[in-house]
Amino acid sequence: EAQVTQNPRYLITVTGKKLTVTCSQNMNHEYMSWYRQDPGLGLRQIYYSMNVEVTDKGDVPEGYKVSRKEKRNFPLILESPSPNQTSLYFCASSWNRGGPEAFFGQGTRLTVV
Amino acid sequence: SQQGEEDPQALSIQEGENATMNCSYKTSINNLQWYRQNSGRGLVHLILIRSNEREKHSGRLRVTLDTSKKSSSLLITASRAADTASYFCATPLSGGSYIPTFGRGTSLIVHP
Repeated sequence: EAQVTQNPRYLITVTGKKLTVTCSQNMNHEYMSWYRQDPGLGLRQIYYSMNVEVTDKGDVPEGYKVSRKEKRNFPLILESPSPNQTSLYFCASSWNRGGPEAFFGQGTRLTVV
Repeated sequence: SQQGEEDPQALSIQEGENATMNCSYKTSINNLQWYRQNSGRGLVHLILIRSNEREKHSGRLRVTLDTSKKSSSLLITASRAADTASYFCATPLSGGSYIPTFGRGTSLIVHP
């Protein structure tokens, strides 16, 4: 089954404790993105990647890191989480030649206390 | 970055009525997509319309695109309670045609 898998689904952590949210896709998609969703603000793009070892900043990259060492994985790293990073996070992937339809993971609800 | 903005922010209708949502964007695009999100879940792709198309249908969905006005609309006909969700238009990230960017969405409530 074609899917984007994010883990964990829910996470409560404390300020400053490094964490990683994993994202994996099984569709051989070239493009992957991270978004955060906050009430009233819609989905804002954090980082995106157009290929292995190629990543770029989105609209709200501060406080986040990403890596794309393999095509299927695109982890989101919060080196020192802060309460303003409490949000719902989504990973998505899409494929150039197959059309622009993006597939989304189920989301990670992060709370930083 | 390119972003579409949906209007209205919220829409409340009765079952059986039609629901219309609009999207405006800023710069030229080669495609526009609409997505649906059930509460707190991942977005699901509904329909894509390319810049050389004016209208597209899929089941009870009708999408229009007016590139001269930089706007699109999504019409859901004969709405059902199960259509209750948030709807987002997605426009391509500048410089990367197949990475979507999103606005704030329209929250649709269909009352049974």
